[in-house]
Amino acid sequence: ILNVEQSPQSLHVQEGDSTNFTCSFPSSNFYALHWYRWETAKSPEALFVMTLNGDEKKKGRISATLNTKEGYSYLYIKGSQPEDSATYLCASPGGGADGLTFGKGTHLIIQP
Amino acid sequence: EAGVAQSPRYKIIEKRQSVAFWCNPISGHATLYWYQQILGQGPKLLIQFQNNGVVDDSQLPKDRFSAERLKGVDSTLKIQPAKLEDSAVYLCASSLASSGGGNEQFFGPGTRLTVL
Repeated sequence: ILNVEQSPQSLHVQEGDSTNFTCSFPSSNFYALHWYRWETAKSPEALFVMTLNGDEKKKGRISATLNTKEGYSYLYIKGSQPEDSATYLCASPGGGADGLTFGKGTHLIIQP
Repeated sequence: EAGVAQSPRYKIIEKRQSVAFWCNPISGHATLYWYQQILGQGPKLLIQFQNNGVVDDSQLPKDRFSAERLKGVDSTLKIQPAKLEDSAVYLCASSLASSGGGNEQFFGPGTRLTVL
C-alpha cells in the first residue's frame, strides 16, 4: 500500500492571492498522479492525471507540476476566488493497479 | 453525458443494522470502484470491478461488507451488520477501462452513512 501525503492539511487564503500545496508519493514504481477537487456536497472532480516527469498541466487558473524522481507534485492556484474553496486531493495507483491511494487532502478556504 | 449516480445520498442507521448503497456508473465504463472516506482521511479503495468480475477487494472487510455488480453495470455495496466505525462517505467511481491507474476516474456524489 502506497503512502501518499499532502501538506498543508488546511489553508486560508485571501481572495486574489495565489497559493500552492504539495503532494508527496513514493518515487519507485511510479505510474501516475491524480489531482481532484472536492467541494462540499458535490462529487470529487478530476483536475489532472499526470504521468511524465517534469510534466506541467494547466486548467484555467490552476496548474500542477510533477517530479517523479523525487516523488512530489505541486498544485498552484493563481488569483484565488471564493469558488476555489474545496478540498484538494492527490492520489496515485499502486504497482500497475487501477485503484487509487489518496492523501488526506488540503482543505482550502478562500476569504473574501 | 450523465455522471455517476448514487443513492441514497444520506443514511442514518443504528449499529448492528444492515444498509445497502447503489451506484450507476457512466454508460460504457467497464471499471467500477467503491471507496470509503472516513472524516479526516482520504478515500480508501474497498473494491474494484472490471465488468462484473472483482479485480481487487483486498481492503474490503469481508466479514461484514459485500458488493456485487451483476450484469456489469449497476453495483450495490452492503454492510451487515454495521459498526460505529463504518460511519463515512461511500464514493462510487467509474472509468473507461483498466489501464494501470492512468485513466481518469469519475466520481458520484457519495452516500454519507452515520451509524449511531
